[in-house]
Amino acid sequence: RKEVEQDPGPFNVPEGATVAFNCTYSNSASQSFFWYRQDCRKEPKLLMSVYSSGNEDGRFTAQLNRASQYISLLIRDSKLSDSATYLCVVLCGNNAGNMLTFGGGTRLMVKP
Amino acid sequence: DAGVTQSPTHLIKTRGQHVTLRCSPISGHKSVSWYQQVLGQGPQFIFQYYEKEERGRGNFPDRFSARQFPNYSSELNVNALLLGDSALYLCASSAGVSNTGELFFGEGSRLTVL
Repeated sequence: RKEVEQDPGPFNVPEGATVAFNCTYSNSASQSFFWYRQDCRKEPKLLMSVYSSGNEDGRFTAQLNRASQYISLLIRDSKLSDSATYLCVVLCGNNAGNMLTFGGGTRLMVKP
Repeated sequence: DAGVTQSPTHLIKTRGQHVTLRCSPISGHKSVSWYQQVLGQGPQFIFQYYEKEERGRGNFPDRFSARQFPNYSSELNVNALLLGDSALYLCASSAGVSNTGELFFGEGSRLTVL
């Protein structure tokens, strides 16, 4: 079983749609959670951190359910520019430093 | 300001050869991490270096090694290349060994092993 699992997609949605991605993680000791975005043939970039209370950044909302060990990302009013791969990322432990564990990514394609 | 820079951007090697990949972190960043990203998968952690010391190692064979120099740049070395080593090798920098989760990645070195 992979440590961080995501549906690879692709999710094909029209502009303006709302789309949600889920991610599950296996290590119950995981402490920090993030969503990264990776455009085709580019490097990953931090999109947002995920807090237990849930957090929102514009059209993006991230939530964490520790009991069920899953993380979600909701994108409202999808734009063409949102087309990318979204990577769910987990950091385990206080001394893990920069050892991030990435999921395989979920590909989103927003169409006109 | 320059971001994380990596070289070479693309390279082709044959099985059994050796490769050295280079990374320069963002100015002021003292931590460098290396990740391997196979096509269609997420990045996998290989190494982290901070202040020239190894601070973390992922589940990779001893053929993989790295080091960090006094100017905080880093090299990743892979010996006895296998076909399965074909991947995008990403270098990431951060100010320190932090738990913020924010790493700044370079555009990567795309290695093809024939």
